[in-house]
Amino acid sequence: DTEVTQTPKHLVMGMTNKKSLKCEQHMGHRAMYWYKQKAKKPPELMFVYSYEKLSINESVPSRFSPECPNSSLLNLHLHALQPEDSALYLCASRIPGGVNTEAFFGQGTRLTVV
Amino acid sequence: AQSVSQHNHHVILSEAASLELGCNYSYGGTVNLFWYVQYPGQHLQLLLKYFSGDPLVKGIKGFEAEFIKSKFSFNLRKPSVQWSDTAEYFCAVIPPHNNNDMRFGAGTRLTVKP
Repeated sequence: DTEVTQTPKHLVMGMTNKKSLKCEQHMGHRAMYWYKQKAKKPPELMFVYSYEKLSINESVPSRFSPECPNSSLLNLHLHALQPEDSALYLCASRIPGGVNTEAFFGQGTRLTVV
Repeated sequence: AQSVSQHNHHVILSEAASLELGCNYSYGGTVNLFWYVQYPGQHLQLLLKYFSGDPLVKGIKGFEAEFIKSKFSFNLRKPSVQWSDTAEYFCAVIPPHNNNDMRFGAGTRLTVKP
């Protein structure tokens, strides 16, 4: 199983809402990533968890709150977002610190903030 | 800032033409390099990767890439493109200072005309 599963596929939320994005993988990968991708732009790194500990935080606003409850799951909690936060949010997993190991990506959650 | 750059933003080719997409990185030391493809509406998929050894790397779907250390480059090539190769192509790098970090270039949109 080389799948990274993200739910929901689409999400529309108001600026006062609280919602969560979920990501799951069963490849035994202990590094998990959140990326943000705007239309016609590359994925931008947001957070990296390694062995369930936050390893990289790319100075992401606190309205985005990541959580890694166990080695298979990664959440992104959203609160008080702005319309400019509308984007495709991608989850990826990888062998942490592995040499020559690629990241596997989910299909993404298309988020629209209204 | 250290980064990975792709200079071709949009490439338009006819079927059977040869393809070369540029990728340059600015990190010193040993890096891990990847090419990913994103077909319309689909998730990022790995085309090929390089860490060490033979600098000419063969990937899926007839793609190959050449690592030239002296030029800090990892260009993607395909001798004869097909209409189905129409997609966005991203070069990615894992820098030497953090094996959990993974950065993407700006991407190159390839359009293949039948």
